[in-house]
Amino acid sequence: RKEVEQDPGPFNVPEGATVAFNCTYSNSASQSFFWYRQDCRKEPKLLMSVYSSGNEDGRFTAQLNRASQYISLLIRDSKLSDSATYLCVVPTDGGATNKLIFGTGTLLAVQP
Amino acid sequence: DVKVTQSSRYLVKRTGEKVFLECVQDMDHENMFWYRQDPGLGLRLIYFSYDVKMKEKGDIPEGYSVSREKKERFSLILESASTNQTSMYLCASSSQRGWQETQYFGPGTRLLVL
Repeated sequence: RKEVEQDPGPFNVPEGATVAFNCTYSNSASQSFFWYRQDCRKEPKLLMSVYSSGNEDGRFTAQLNRASQYISLLIRDSKLSDSATYLCVVPTDGGATNKLIFGTGTLLAVQP
Repeated sequence: DVKVTQSSRYLVKRTGEKVFLECVQDMDHENMFWYRQDPGLGLRLIYFSYDVKMKEKGDIPEGYSVSREKKERFSLILESASTNQTSMYLCASSSQRGWQETQYFGPGTRLLVL
C-alpha cells in the first residue's frame, strides 16, 4: 500500500456543486494531516490542517477517519477559483521531524 | 508574509554539467527542504536540513548533494546532470520541528537537462 494515496481525477464539476476527495494513508501512527492546494504551474500552499476528527473553514471541510485511515476534503458551493490540484499530505515519523509525504494530488476543474 | 525565493524559474543544462539551485527564505526558519515534482509521482523529498551545516537524506538523494552554510540559504547541487533529473524542483521552509508547522514553498525551478 502506498504511504499516501489519492484519486488523481480529474473531477469536473459545475459551479455551485459540492465535491469531495478522499485520501488514504498507511501509517497508523500519523497524528496530523494536511491538505495543500497547488494551482497550475505554481507552488503548493497550505489549505487546511486536520488534527482531530476534522476541521472546517468556510466552504471547506476536512474530515479524518482514523479507524479506516482516510481523510477527506469537502468543498461546498464550488467556485471557478477552486480549480486546482489538491494534495493530501501526511507527516512521516509520526510527525516528529516535520518530514511530509505528499500524495500525487487530485485535479479539480470547476466549469462555468 | 513568509517569502521563499529560488534563484531561477527556468534552467536548461547539458548532460554532465554541474548545476546549482539556490533557495533563500526570509523568516528565520530552521527547517529547509528540497523536493522534485514529476507528473504521476507527486512531490518527492531529496534532502532536508534542520540547521546550519546540517543535512539529512530524503527519499531520493542519489545524484544530488546540498549545502547549508547560512540559515537562510539552502542549495541543491546536481554534481553531473543527467536527463532523468529533468524535473520541477521546489524548495520549502518551516520553523522548528513538529508536525504542526506549515511548509512554505518557493515558486519552483523547472530544470531541463538535454
